[in-house]
Amino acid sequence: AQSVTQPDIHITVSEGASLELRCNYSYGATPYLFWYVQSPGQGLQLLLKYFSGDTLVQGIKGFEAEFKRSQSSFNLRKPSVHWSDAAEYFCAAGTEGTDKLIFGTGTRLQVFP
Amino acid sequence: DVKVTQSSRYLVKRTGEKVFLECVQDMDHENMFWYRQDPGLGLRLIYFSYDVKMKEKGDIPEGYSVSREKKERFSLILESASTNQTSMYLCASSLAIGGEDTEAFFGQGTRLTVV
Repeated sequence: AQSVTQPDIHITVSEGASLELRCNYSYGATPYLFWYVQSPGQGLQLLLKYFSGDTLVQGIKGFEAEFKRSQSSFNLRKPSVHWSDAAEYFCAAGTEGTDKLIFGTGTRLQVFP
Repeated sequence: DVKVTQSSRYLVKRTGEKVFLECVQDMDHENMFWYRQDPGLGLRLIYFSYDVKMKEKGDIPEGYSVSREKKERFSLILESASTNQTSMYLCASSLAIGGEDTEAFFGQGTRLTVV
């Protein structure tokens, strides 16, 4: 069955530190991959997406993600975290011909000053 | 910018009430979705619609129904609200099926409390 796994439920980092949020997928074909961010009490905002081509994709707010087919991963990274990055992050995947996304369970990021 | 608007940010309803959650999108998207979000469970798909008057069950449709009479509007209905339906409800839309068009745009969410 198709699935998206975010192994880390909660991550805490210091402001200015680097960040990597993990996402693994299980799909028969190469999926389309997305990262969304949700600030407290808000809806989800798209950070970045991967469909094909360059496996390193740049997004908004200084985030990037790298698609690694061999590891079935699409990890989100940021070189230096800001306090405003504290939020919940969701990885999602879909494939050609499907009409819905499958979401991971989310990773809550806490940032200490 | 794509805008998905949910009619209420917060709702408090009594057990047994019929509850309507409304969602409107302004970008002529084909697909619309209703998700439920609970801590530790992520987003779970309740229902989706790929055309006017068309609907498909998602992963957790029990206790819910939907209505899509116009392309831009997708309503979630709780026929008889129960306390276990207390949750955050998120509406989303996407342009079409497959590829880049699968990108979902989300509303702000409705936090429903059933007492």
